[in-house]
Amino acid sequence: AQSVAQPEDQVNVAEGNPLTVKCTYSVSGNPYLFWYVQYPNRGLQFLLKYITGDNLVKGSYGFEAEFNKSQTSFHLKKPSALVSDSALYFCAVRDLGVGQNFVFGPGTRLSVLP
Amino acid sequence: ETGVTQSPTHLIKTRGQQVTLRCSSQSGHNTVSWYQQALGQGPQFIFQYYREEENGRGNFPPRFSGLQFPNYSSELNVNALELDDSALYLCASSQGRGRIPSTDTQYFGPGTRLTVL
Repeated sequence: AQSVAQPEDQVNVAEGNPLTVKCTYSVSGNPYLFWYVQYPNRGLQFLLKYITGDNLVKGSYGFEAEFNKSQTSFHLKKPSALVSDSALYFCAVRDLGVGQNFVFGPGTRLSVLP
Repeated sequence: ETGVTQSPTHLIKTRGQQVTLRCSSQSGHNTVSWYQQALGQGPQFIFQYYREEENGRGNFPPRFSGLQFPNYSSELNVNALELDDSALYLCASSQGRGRIPSTDTQYFGPGTRLTVL
């Protein structure tokens, strides 16, 4: 079965500094990996996904993620954090069994301090 | 903007009651998935409908049931509500193409906050 770990419950970063939100995964085949962001009392917004190809994936709002097969990681990054990036971030892997749905990590709360 | 809408926004029920939540998928999407997100946790998959047929179910009891209509909108029904059913219920739509595995992106609605007292 697929699984996703987000080792940090909380990440704090100063505005203007680079940010990284970590994700590691476990899959039995090729990984299909996604990042979503959730603002308070809102649904999830799609940021980016890795299916195949370049290990560096660029997404919405200046975010990017680096796929590392040997480390089974898919870390989310942004070169310069904004206060408005403060939110809950979820990494997800596509489950190849049950309706090919997402298995989500527990989430990481990002706080960008002014 | 994703285009997925859900109703109602908030709902308060008591134990033992039944509830129906509704979802309108994004234009052009034929697949709807439902998730339960308990406070402080990631979403958990309930089930998925593809072209009006259920084609996957997570680890939820049969009192969680669903339906998809010809216009691809969907309902989630929960019978005999329990306190632990209190959560944010998320609907997501995607353009399923029948490939396995699917690489389709799921687009989420804002959710329905259900409180069971």
